[in-house]
Amino acid sequence: QKEVEQNSGPLSVPEGAIASLNCTYSDRGSQSFFWYRQYSGKSPELIMSIYSNGDKEDGRFTAQLNKASQYVSLLIRDSQPSDSATYLCAVKSNFGNEKLTFGTGTRLTIIP
Amino acid sequence: GAGVSQSPSNKVTEKGKDVELRCDPISGHTALYWYRQRLGQGLEFLIYFQGNSAPDKSGLPSDRFSAERTGESVSTLTIQRTQQEDSAVYLCASSLRPEWRFEQYFGPGTRLTVT
Repeated sequence: QKEVEQNSGPLSVPEGAIASLNCTYSDRGSQSFFWYRQYSGKSPELIMSIYSNGDKEDGRFTAQLNKASQYVSLLIRDSQPSDSATYLCAVKSNFGNEKLTFGTGTRLTIIP
Repeated sequence: GAGVSQSPSNKVTEKGKDVELRCDPISGHTALYWYRQRLGQGLEFLIYFQGNSAPDKSGLPSDRFSAERTGESVSTLTIQRTQQEDSAVYLCASSLRPEWRFEQYFGPGTRLTVT
């Protein structure tokens, strides 16, 4: 079982709709969760971090965390063509383990 | 402010040669990380620095890989006797790491091609 799992996609969403990206993780001791956006040929860009159960909103982005289900998601409202990218879920394990473990990413395409 | 910078942006080398990759973290960031991303794959952790010490080297794939950091600034990743499987984008990230926040910010990467 992979430590961090994402559906590789591609996920196609019409412009203006809500894109929903999902991620599950295996380590129950995980403390911190991150979503990165990566455009083709570019490095990952941090877009959201979430540390406690529930929802966290930032502009058009909402991250949702459910530690009991070991599940984290990212919602993108009013999707724009510029949102087309690969979205990487990253998880930091228990305190003292500093590395991020990344999923392989979900490729999102917004259709105009 | 300035972000993480890496040099060179691209490096082509012959199999068997040594290469050095450089990372300049965001000023004031005490933690520095190296990751590798092979084409079409996810990011693999290589090594983590807190200041100039490396508490976690667990991701270094072989003894051909080494890294060092000067104080809380520049880090270099050295790959000796490069192999074709070393071809990848090498990404550096830094983190402010106050007590409980661990956001990592990435540089643009160095694309290494071993021929």
